[in-house]
Amino acid sequence: AQSVTQPDIHITVSEGASLELRCNYSYGATPYLFWYVQSPGQGLQLLLKYFSGDTLVQGIKGFEAEFKRSQSSFNLRKPSVHWSDAAEYFCAVGDYNNNDMRFGAGTRLTVKP
Amino acid sequence: DGGITQSPKYLFRKEGQNVTLSCEQNLNHDAMYWYRQDPGQGLRLIYYSQIVNDFQKGDIAEGYSVSREKKESFPLTVTSAQKNPTAFYLCASRVSAKNIQYFGAGTRLSVL
Repeated sequence: AQSVTQPDIHITVSEGASLELRCNYSYGATPYLFWYVQSPGQGLQLLLKYFSGDTLVQGIKGFEAEFKRSQSSFNLRKPSVHWSDAAEYFCAVGDYNNNDMRFGAGTRLTVKP
Repeated sequence: DGGITQSPKYLFRKEGQNVTLSCEQNLNHDAMYWYRQDPGQGLRLIYYSQIVNDFQKGDIAEGYSVSREKKESFPLTVTSAQKNPTAFYLCASRVSAKNIQYFGAGTRLSVL
């Protein structure tokens, strides 16, 4: 069965610093990978997705992620964090019809001024 | 405005009571989903429906029920059999041609 691990429960970075959130997945076939962001008390907003092709994908709000099959990873990055990026971030893996999407436990990002 | 509307935003349940959470979408999406979110556990799938009048259990369906009488609507009932209902509930939908789920703003359910 597919699964996702986000090793970091909570990360604190200074505003303007770079960010990398880790995601490792377990899936037998080619995975469909997603990163979502959630502000407190809100739903999830899709940041970016990987289905196939170029392993470096660009998303909204200046985020990018790189798919590394050899490491079963799909880490999220941002070169310069803004205070408004403080939120919870979820990595997810799905199958071809995405009816069995599995989420990681989430990483909470705090941004220091 | 197109989107997914969940109501109410906050809901309180008394012991032994059934409560129903509403999820409506005007995106013309085929599939709809209900997730439960608990702190530190990510999202877990309760039920999903790919077409009207059909739905499947997810990982934690016990104590919940759903219906899909209209394409736009997928209400979730939290029954009295669900002994630990306090959580944040998220509804999502997906169009068949695209492998992306879009989420509503959620309903927070608490027990009185």
